[in-house]
Amino acid sequence: ELKVEQNPLFLSMQEGKNYTIYCNYSTTSDRLYWYRQDPGKSLESLFVLLSNGAVKQEGRLMASLDTKARLSTLHITAAVHDLSATYFCAVATKYNNNDMRFGAGTRLTVKP
Amino acid sequence: GAGVSQSPSNKVTEKGKDVELRCDPISGHTALYWYRQRLGQGLEFLIYFQGNSAPDKSGLPSDRFSAERTGESVSTLTIQRTQQEDSAVYLCASSLAGIDRVSYNEQFFGPGTRLTVL
Repeated sequence: ELKVEQNPLFLSMQEGKNYTIYCNYSTTSDRLYWYRQDPGKSLESLFVLLSNGAVKQEGRLMASLDTKARLSTLHITAAVHDLSATYFCAVATKYNNNDMRFGAGTRLTVKP
Repeated sequence: GAGVSQSPSNKVTEKGKDVELRCDPISGHTALYWYRQRLGQGLEFLIYFQGNSAPDKSGLPSDRFSAERTGESVSTLTIQRTQQEDSAVYLCASSLAGIDRVSYNEQFFGPGTRLTVL
């Protein structure tokens, strides 16, 4: 059974600081997704990572994928308050592209 | 363009009543998913529809939960004899389900239905 673990689950950081959120998964996969969820809102797609070594960047967020280690990271550079949200990673199983499992989410709070 | 829509946005019901939640996927998306999100928690997979194939119901928590989809359009999630533990946000997502590596099946989410069972 595919399991997805994120850490930390809660993250409070100062504006201007850097931090990394980790997403580990338990079985072979070749696609990983990062989503953002603002309070009371639905999920917004951030990144889709399709291959080992994939790196994608959007603004202050950068996501990477290491399929051998079964690990993805979401790196936050020089955080700003607007990044406060919950971030989810989701992993699709290799042999059933539509079987996707989500991590528990990382609730990020960026303080001035 | 139109995204995934869900209705109602909020539903308050009494324990023991039945509820129906509706999802309108993005036009042309053949795959449709239902998830449950309890307060402060991650997403829990419930059910998945792909075209005319038999749905994957492996995530439904009990036989009180059922879902239908007409062709590649609207889906309804029905919860019978609701219990307080059913209180959650129910999210629907749709995707262009592909069978090859080119289409990466990104899911687009609706705004959710917040269900409160008193």
